[in-house]
Amino acid sequence: NAGVTQTPKFQVLKTGQSMTLQCAQDMNHEYMSWYRQDPGMGLRLIHYSVGAGITDQGEVPNGYNVSRSTTEDFPLRLLSAAPSQTSVYFCASSGQGWYEQYFGPGTRLTVT
Amino acid sequence: GQQLNQSPQSMFIQEGEDVSMNCTSSSIFNTWLWYKQDPGEGPVLLIALYKAGELTSNGRLTAQFGITRKDSFLNISASIPSDVGIYFCAAPAGNQFYFGTGTSLTVIP
Repeated sequence: NAGVTQTPKFQVLKTGQSMTLQCAQDMNHEYMSWYRQDPGMGLRLIHYSVGAGITDQGEVPNGYNVSRSTTEDFPLRLLSAAPSQTSVYFCASSGQGWYEQYFGPGTRLTVT
Repeated sequence: GQQLNQSPQSMFIQEGEDVSMNCTSSSIFNTWLWYKQDPGEGPVLLIALYKAGELTSNGRLTAQFGITRKDSFLNISASIPSDVGIYFCAAPAGNQFYFGTGTSLTVIP
């Protein structure tokens, strides 16, 4: 049981480049979410999904896209990276006890 | 969005001391959560509180759900070096979760 996995662990992008941060969970959880963590800001919700085919915006969705074609995977896409998107990104999932989120190890993204 | 204010922002304590931190909001919540984040890792849930006035323990950790439903408190007794990390409060509203800004704890052996 791997829990929540995220790839890559580190990434450096140039402004304007695109990329996809991968997130997968093997716990059959319905709820999945993406957060960004910036110094002094705590974690802020970007997008979330309550099940396959259903996604919605969180607190800071601009510049990010998501899709949820399977229960297991919830990728986060940056279409045109900007320096303001330099951050640590965490994916999380929860099941029936949906308040109890399990977090992945994070992806540290730098945009130059 | 909702704002959860945590204090203190950081704490430096001697091993063996007790620790208290709190989280306040201008909004009412029906659930309060406390997470701990070790350096370089994702947050891990410590305690979940579901009822106003509730007091819940997890080992040396005790958390309380404030009577007004606008605040929550976390206490750590007899701190040890592995308590080092960032502690976050969090609260769900609808399908979204809101996190506090965190309290960074350093334990000096």
